[in-house]
Amino acid sequence: KAGVTQTPRYLIKTRGQQVTLSCSPISGHRSVSWYQQTPGQGLQFLFEYFSETQRNKGNFPGRFSGRQFSNSRSEMNVSTLELGDSALYLCASHGLHNEQFFGPGTRLTVL
Amino acid sequence: DQQVKQNSPSLSVQEGRISILNCDYTNSMFDYFLWYKKYPAEGPTFLISISSIKDKNEDGRFTVFLNKSAKHLSLHIVPSQPGDSAVYFCAASALGNTPLVFGKGTRLSVIA
Repeated sequence: KAGVTQTPRYLIKTRGQQVTLSCSPISGHRSVSWYQQTPGQGLQFLFEYFSETQRNKGNFPGRFSGRQFSNSRSEMNVSTLELGDSALYLCASHGLHNEQFFGPGTRLTVL
Repeated sequence: DQQVKQNSPSLSVQEGRISILNCDYTNSMFDYFLWYKKYPAEGPTFLISISSIKDKNEDGRFTVFLNKSAKHLSLHIVPSQPGDSAVYFCAASALGNTPLVFGKGTRLSVIA
C-alpha cells in the first residue's frame, strides 16, 4: 500500500504571495488532517477533512484554508504569506482508530 | 494552555539500556494515546498506541504504559539502539473524531 504523498517537498516564497500544498492520503482512507510544525512548537493542528467536508479546525487565521476532493486528495492554501509561516507542513491520513499516518511534509520558506 | 506535555526536551541513553520517555496530559476527556517517532526532514512515524481501557500495550521493543489517575503515560524502549535516536512525540485524542493534540517532543539520543 502506498503511503501518504505530499507535493512539493520544498517551496520558497516571498511575503505576500500565496501557496498551495497538496496531499494524497493512503488508498481507502477518507480523512486527512494538516499540521504545521515549527521549531520548539511541536505539531499544531490546522484542519481535518472527511468526505470533502471540514470536520475540525484549529486556531489559525483565515489565511489558512483547505479543501478535499472526491478522491480524498486534499490541498491547503496559505494566502498573504508572512515570515512566520515558514514551517514544515504535514499531512496525515487517518486509519480506522484515529491513528494518523504522516507524509514527508512540505518545507515552506518565506523570505 | 498545553494539554499534552513532554517535560524533557532531550534524553541521552546508552545503547542496550532502557529509554523511558514521559508524557503528561491535562484533559480528562482524552481516551486514546499515541507515540510517534520523527527523523529530521521526514514526517512522524506512528509507533504504538493505547486506549484508556488498558494500562499497557507492548509491541516488540516498545511498551506504552498509561496511568489514568495520574494522567501520565510513558514509552519504554528496550533495548535502545542507535537507530532509535529521533524526536518522539506523544499525542492524545478524545472520543468522537477529535483532533490529535501533540506534545512538543523529546529528542532521544542513543549513544553507542
